[in-house]
Amino acid sequence: NAGVMQNPRHLVRRRGQEARLRCSPMKGHSHVYWYRQLPEEGLKFMVYLQKENIIDESGMPKERFSAEFPKEGPSILRIQQVVRGDSAAYFCASSPGNAEAFFGQGTRLTVV
Amino acid sequence: EDQVTQSPEALRLQEGESSSLNCSYTVSGLRGLFWYRQDPGKGPEFLFTLYSAGEEKEKERLKATLTKKESFLHITAPKPEDSATYLCAVPAGGNNRLAFGKGNQVVVIP
Repeated sequence: NAGVMQNPRHLVRRRGQEARLRCSPMKGHSHVYWYRQLPEEGLKFMVYLQKENIIDESGMPKERFSAEFPKEGPSILRIQQVVRGDSAAYFCASSPGNAEAFFGQGTRLTVV
Repeated sequence: EDQVTQSPEALRLQEGESSSLNCSYTVSGLRGLFWYRQDPGKGPEFLFTLYSAGEEKEKERLKATLTKKESFLHITAPKPEDSATYLCAVPAGGNNRLAFGKGNQVVVIP
């Protein structure tokens, strides 16, 4: 959905570097979800945020991954010390508060 | 546990050959079932929300239906531009995070 903006669209990082993925939700949406999609697998939930709060991070790996949604600015998914297994498409979705979620075009992370 | 199972995984259709995609779900207290379309290299595009058994929604050549245990996405007289992966999802957990199936990959041959 053109309303949810993600950048960058493609990101290449060397092993051990940090990756920062950004998501600006649709206008009027204050709920943001991050999902990861691996080849041959479905979309997997990672984290759910509202402004300044992490509501559910049950799908997030315990180490190296963090997310925030500050009062001002986009939501950020941060992956520290990336490894090859982190290579995937990361999608952000936003919602006005119900279950209908609208997705961005994703960030394709490649770790070399 | 698998909450959403889609079948068939892949489907090749001749243009004009109607077919149906299946989405079976196991979740207590269904709070909606969602269909999305995903093209290669793109994000999922929202298609339909269904909330109760017996409900139907239509959009162009697509019609989604819902029973108590499964949903169908019917594609009537498909065209090559209907080629995509169709994703089914249900809200899981106490909030509105979505549990997705692996998708139905549809290829329509001219």
